[in-house]
Parts: sequence; structure tokens; C-alpha cells
Amino acid sequence: DTAVSQTPKYLVTQMGNDKSIKCEQNLGHDTMYWYKQDSKKFLKIMFSYNNKELIINETVPNRFSPKSPDKAHLNLHINSLELGDSAVYFCASSPAPGTQYFGPGTRLTVL
Amino acid sequence: AQRVTQPEKLLSVFKGAPVELKCNYSYSGSPELFWYVQYSRQRLQLLLRHISRESIKGFTADLNKGETSFHLKKPFAQEEDSAMYYCALIAHAGNMLTFGGGTRLMVKP
Repeated sequence: DTAVSQTPKYLVTQMGNDKSIKCEQNLGHDTMYWYKQDSKKFLKIMFSYNNKELIINETVPNRFSPKSPDKAHLNLHINSLELGDSAVYFCASSPAPGTQYFGPGTRLTVL
Repeated sequence: AQRVTQPEKLLSVFKGAPVELKCNYSYSGSPELFWYVQYSRQRLQLLLRHISRESIKGFTADLNKGETSFHLKKPFAQEEDSAMYYCALIAHAGNMLTFGGGTRLMVKP
């Protein structure tokens, strides 16, 4: 009965590879998000997406792209991975602005 | 652009002591403020929001527009309060949260 789930939990890969992180929510929320938490625990919004609109944080490199096959899923694709992409990535969903339900996180390590 | 500042990276108190986690923000409009908490090995979760004016787990936070602050307070800290706390803001009519840098609260026995 997990509300927001992410796979994989851990992801270790080489520089230059392309990888995806999956996110699913069973809460029926319209809006989903991706966040990046760096090594200093700083949490930063990357994307906000609902079935009408994608809002991109302007600081996010275009190597990152969200893909939503349906309302319950928002996957994160990352091309040409770099060392600086190593972080914990959190997916979240929201029934209303501000009240967000987070996934458990995916720890990405780029070697 | 909005900004949220949590000046303390780490706050360490003894059990039973009062605790205050500071949060200041900058935003030209009327923001909505939140506190999120991340306990060890758990996911980030909403603790409270200023419009609710509620007390959750003994914590309260009052929005002070004059000082642009939204400090989180608890009169008697418990060991289970040890966690990472994030203050967050959402702009009026927006839907993306801006988080502060987080404060790690450690409550010692």
C-alpha cells in the first residue's frame, strides 16, 4: 500500500551512461515532482508535472528529462551522466500545492 | 525569486530542553510556509503548514511577516524528535516548493 514508490533504491553507474529512475504514486494526485538532494542534504526542485503542464527549474541541465506514461507515473531519464549528478533523487506527488508526499529516494552514484 | 534560509546546519539540545529551529524567507508576495521532517531511514514528510495553525507532535510555527520568519518551536524536546528539518515556501498561485538548506536536530538523552 506504498503511496509513492521509486525504483531502483540504489543506482551505481559509469560516467557517460544513460539511466532512468521510475516513480509511481497510487494516491490519485494530479501533480508529481522530482527533487535532487546533494551531499550536503540541500533539497532542490527539478521538475513539476501534471497532465497539462511541465515546469522545469531553469538550473536543471537538459540531460535530465521527465517522462510520464500516465498520471500515476513520472520517470526521470538522465543522459550522459556526470560525476556531479551523484545525489539522492526524490519523487513526490501532491493533491494541492505545498502538501507533498515523497518517495523513499534513489541514491545515484556516478563513478 | 523566493529564497528560504535556515541558518543552523546542526542544532543539538538535551532531552526536555526547548528547541527552536530558525527559518527566514524572502519573497515579495504572500507565501505559504511549511515544515518538512526526515527521520533517519524514512522519507521526507510534511510536519506542519502555517495556514493550518496546528500543533503536530508538540511542534508549532508562527509566520511572522514583519520579520519574514517561520521558526519551528517545541517546549520540551524528545529523543525521537532527532531528524532533519526543512523549512519550505510556496509562492502564491505556484506549485513548486522552495526548500531551505535543512537543520539537523539532535536531541541528546
